[in-house]
Amino acid sequence: ETGVTQTPRHLVMGMTNKKSLKCEQHLGHNAMYWYKQSAKKPLELMFVYNFKEQTENNSVPSRFSPECPNSSHLFLHLHTLQPEDSALYLCASSQPGVGGELFFGEGSRLTVL
Amino acid sequence: GNSVTQMEGPVTLSEEAFLTINCTYTATGYPSLFWYVQYPGEGLQLLLKATKADDKGSNKGFEATYRKETTSFHLEKGSVQVSDSAVYFCALSVPHNFNKFYFGSGTKLNVKP
Repeated sequence: ETGVTQTPRHLVMGMTNKKSLKCEQHLGHNAMYWYKQSAKKPLELMFVYNFKEQTENNSVPSRFSPECPNSSHLFLHLHTLQPEDSALYLCASSQPGVGGELFFGEGSRLTVL
Repeated sequence: GNSVTQMEGPVTLSEEAFLTINCTYTATGYPSLFWYVQYPGEGLQLLLKATKADDKGSNKGFEATYRKETTSFHLEKGSVQVSDSAVYFCALSVPHNFNKFYFGSGTKLNVKP
């Protein structure tokens, strides 16, 4: 198993659909993250979970709803999205500490029609 | 506050040319510094890191030295290959909040044969 696995890799949805992105990490890390990467924009931190507790919500619209049932799994539930939400959504995990780096999944490419 | 500034791209080089991508930072406390690389269609991967002043991170022929006096962490490679074409991100984390990473905007490198 690779370190951080994201499914699906590609998702196309209409503005009225409800879908979810899934992330799983096999590294034993305590922190998990959602980032949004849009074309020509800096990487945007969306949510951080530390020991299953949400520690960061970077003013993300409520149409994005995260869920972290345990330290190994992270979901991003999507509903009534807008076309401008089309982006690459990256999940990451880390073991917090000096020099503790982020390990990223390969991303879920979302297109909202 | 904490932030990372890296040079605008794209950077276009011929194969075997010398590469420098500049990165400077501002940080409260003593940050850990990272370079990540993103190949087309993939997530970000850690390229190298350094956790204290004068440390040199190195990997795959890339190097960067933690310069506290100039608050810099410039990425260098002596001889680039076509396969190095990617987007490179400089990042930092700070001791009082290991869960928060600050990323630069990314520098796209194109290497021509």
